[in-house]
Amino acid sequence: QITLKESGPTLVKPTQTLTLTCTFSGFSLSTSGVGVGWIRQPPGKALEWLALIYWDDDKRYSPSLKSRLTITKDTSKNQVVLTMTNMDPVDTATYYCAHSRISVGATFAFDIWGQGTMVTVSS
Amino acid sequence: EIVMTQSPATLSVSPGERATLSCRASQSVSSNLAWYQQKPGQAPRLLIYGASTRATGIPARFSGSGSGTEFTLTISSLQSEDFAVYYCQQYNNWWTFGQGTKVEIK
Repeated sequence: QITLKESGPTLVKPTQTLTLTCTFSGFSLSTSGVGVGWIRQPPGKALEWLALIYWDDDKRYSPSLKSRLTITKDTSKNQVVLTMTNMDPVDTATYYCAHSRISVGATFAFDIWGQGTMVTVSS
Repeated sequence: EIVMTQSPATLSVSPGERATLSCRASQSVSSNLAWYQQKPGQAPRLLIYGASTRATGIPARFSGSGSGTEFTLTISSLQSEDFAVYYCQQYNNWWTFGQGTKVEIK
């Protein structure tokens, strides 16, 4: 059974850097084809994809946020870490991590999601 | 960036009735289209991928169709647990979501 869980601060100040950790079980990020992504959702608004990392350390970033994001993995700990710099109140959202994979040589949807963690940006 | 547009924003349906949700892509995404269901306070759940393949454990009353730029999610007979927000997502070129359709009780 695949599970993912997000952790990190619930409150950050403007201009600070946010660091979120996704701890997962039921799969390995050293297995060919596996990926873990981050998606966020401001209160009452739609979902927005942020970043994704694959088993081979291939990293993808949302073009609109690329300059602020870094995604890394620690295979031995079954963790994926997302950092977002220069936080602003508009970044207030629930942040989700989710499992994905390469399917038939192409990218795929997010099939298993964590419960999400709410992050508020305020001074 | 591929923009996904969903319609309508809100759909009012009586239990037992059929619901039809639409999603349009700003350029072709082939069949690389997924649908998610999200209930209040919960994470999204994958319903459909490949435009028409139901994910594991998804009831047969959910069906998806379309390819290229026009897609449809149909719920054949709405159950009480189906009232939620539904998002489409393309994964042909990065990943982008639509703005969602809320299915509410009429």
